[in-house]
Amino acid sequence: EADIYQTPRYLVIGTGKKITLECSQTMGHDKMYWYQQDPGMELHLIHYSYGVNSTEKGDLSSESTVSRIRTEHFPLTLESARPSHTSQYLCASSDPTGRNEKLFFGSGTQLSVL
Amino acid sequence: GENVEQHPSTLSVQEGDSAVIKCTYSDSASNYFPWYKQELGKRPQLIIDIRSNVGEKKDQRIAVTLNKTAKHFSLHITETQPEDSAVYFCAASITRGADGLTFGKGTHLIIQP
Repeated sequence: EADIYQTPRYLVIGTGKKITLECSQTMGHDKMYWYQQDPGMELHLIHYSYGVNSTEKGDLSSESTVSRIRTEHFPLTLESARPSHTSQYLCASSDPTGRNEKLFFGSGTQLSVL
Repeated sequence: GENVEQHPSTLSVQEGDSAVIKCTYSDSASNYFPWYKQELGKRPQLIIDIRSNVGEKKDQRIAVTLNKTAKHFSLHITETQPEDSAVYFCAASITRGADGLTFGKGTHLIIQP
């Protein structure tokens, strides 16, 4: 079934660790996004990509980095995690067909940095 | 850039009553206004959207209205049910692209039995 997958679902790590949050979609979408969201709060766009080898920074400044080597894969990396990075990270892709682009979200990764 | 204000932040209604969530936007060039619903612990999902050349759109119990002059748009849910309990996010975009979306801060809708 076509979907967007995020792993891990939950991650608890210590300060200073390097982490990579995985995001893969089997929907054939070119555009992909990373949002940061505290529980029940607003969605902040931190990175997006128009396709392979394309990465752009979003509205919210983030110390994370992303890469897009394959269409279906859009991982997010934190080189040195800090408690301020504790949040939920939602990956999304959008369907460019039709008149408007609908966002499809993954289930999210809840990150806790101790 | 675009600024989207959403009110109220929390809304509690009795089951069967109607609920209305309102959003205002700042950029008169915005032309696409989607609404996303996020149930507790789940991913956000698009429930309805409207373009600026339309004043109202309806899909079963939900409807969205747009007032371009006043730069505000609203989500209306009629005959509310327990499964309507969720956080609702409005958004505005000057393009049809999802990368141009600016989200509101969300409304926690609570349906009281």
